[in-house]
Amino acid sequence: AQKVTQAQTEISVVEKEDVTLDCVYETRDTTYYLFWYKQPPSGELVFLIRRNSFDEQNEISGRYSWNFQKSTSSFNFTITASQVVDSAVYFCALSLRDMKTSYDKVIFGPGTSLSVIP
Amino acid sequence: DSGVTQTPKHLITATGQRVTLRCSPRSGDLSVYWYQQSLDQGLQFLIQYYNGEERAKGNILERFSAQQFPDLHSELNLSSLELGDSALYFCASSVGASGIREQYFGPGTRLTVT
Repeated sequence: AQKVTQAQTEISVVEKEDVTLDCVYETRDTTYYLFWYKQPPSGELVFLIRRNSFDEQNEISGRYSWNFQKSTSSFNFTITASQVVDSAVYFCALSLRDMKTSYDKVIFGPGTSLSVIP
Repeated sequence: DSGVTQTPKHLITATGQRVTLRCSPRSGDLSVYWYQQSLDQGLQFLIQYYNGEERAKGNILERFSAQQFPDLHSELNLSSLELGDSALYFCASSVGASGIREQYFGPGTRLTVT
């Protein structure tokens, strides 16, 4: 089965706290890609990061960091010193080749709604 | 601003009707994806077009159809509308045919079926 789980439906933090959003994926494929997208209250999804299955290096971009661990099939996202503008729904997604159609498919997780309280 | 445009922003219609949603991809992007986002189903992939041809199909109902025109804009047609079709419909674009590239999303069309 191919699936993306984001167990945290809603998280609330106070501004300047660090917060980690969990993402666990399921696939038997060895080649796949993982993504994080942000959906602010305005509604438009914004691409944050893409990681391929062969690159387990962690990535940091400003206050954002991502921890990819194949051993636990997780691709977690940490926001350091959270700000009110970080309030949004965050989606983790998995892209892999559909062996029946030979086309790539993208599976989104259910999303985690993050509220940063001033 | 992602560079992807969608019209209209809001649409209210009655059950049984037919509507058309329009999407223009980012300049240079050849792939267009359509998604449906509802509270109970989350973000569901509907269909992908690449350079005018259907590339991949997801959970798209037979009442729904799409096409991509020579100028690369795309339209999603929803017919025999039901209350359950009320949702936010997103269009996204990417540069290539493969789903491994990041996608850039439009602002969405909120469809309300009454």
